[in-house]
Amino acid sequence: KAGVTQTPRYLIKTRGQQVTLSCSPISGHRSVSWYQQTPGQGLQFLFEYFSETQRNKGNFPGRFSGRQFSNSRSEMNVSTLELGDSALYLCASSPGRTTNNEQFFGPGTRLTVL
Amino acid sequence: KQEVTQIPAALSVPEGENLVLNCSFTDSAIYNLQWFRQDPGKGLTSLLLIQSSQREQTSGRLNASLDKSSGRSTLYIAASQPGDSATYLCAVLNFNKFYFGSGTKLNVKP
Repeated sequence: KAGVTQTPRYLIKTRGQQVTLSCSPISGHRSVSWYQQTPGQGLQFLFEYFSETQRNKGNFPGRFSGRQFSNSRSEMNVSTLELGDSALYLCASSPGRTTNNEQFFGPGTRLTVL
Repeated sequence: KQEVTQIPAALSVPEGENLVLNCSFTDSAIYNLQWFRQDPGKGLTSLLLIQSSQREQTSGRLNASLDKSSGRSTLYIAASQPGDSATYLCAVLNFNKFYFGSGTKLNVKP
């Protein structure tokens, strides 16, 4: 079974631009979660999508948004980029059922904001 | 709000040693706890998942225990190898959100 894939793997943007990251979950998984990882703040939860609906949300500004498609693939968008948005963005998929929430992570997208 | 703490932040041991990594959490109302390893610049690899009703899980040289009442989990690594060098993270699922510790950076010296 193929793992979680994320594209692109690396991205360089300038302040004020916007960016879209993509995540394809493991086949059959319906839940996709997004995380931001920085040296200072560690891993922080952004949001979770399940069956095309945002099920949970972390404490990030509205510049961070996401969506999930009917095939469970998910995209994350960050608008008006700031230097502090430079981070490794990880997505994780899980079956999403209450009886099985084991998360499997993708390799991440390294975003650098100049 | 759930807070997850991992001690120690870094650990350096000679090859072959058995070692224990600690994870503590403030809210015992967790659904499950998961241990991951992360290699530099890479994503997270799932090691073990413990449901809230379980006390421990084992996979090869790894054994993870969970004590919900005291808000603690330990990851035991037997006969450590240089390939075990990585950052180890624990995460708890609490009200449909995962909360991560800041990790323990392990270095196993040949």
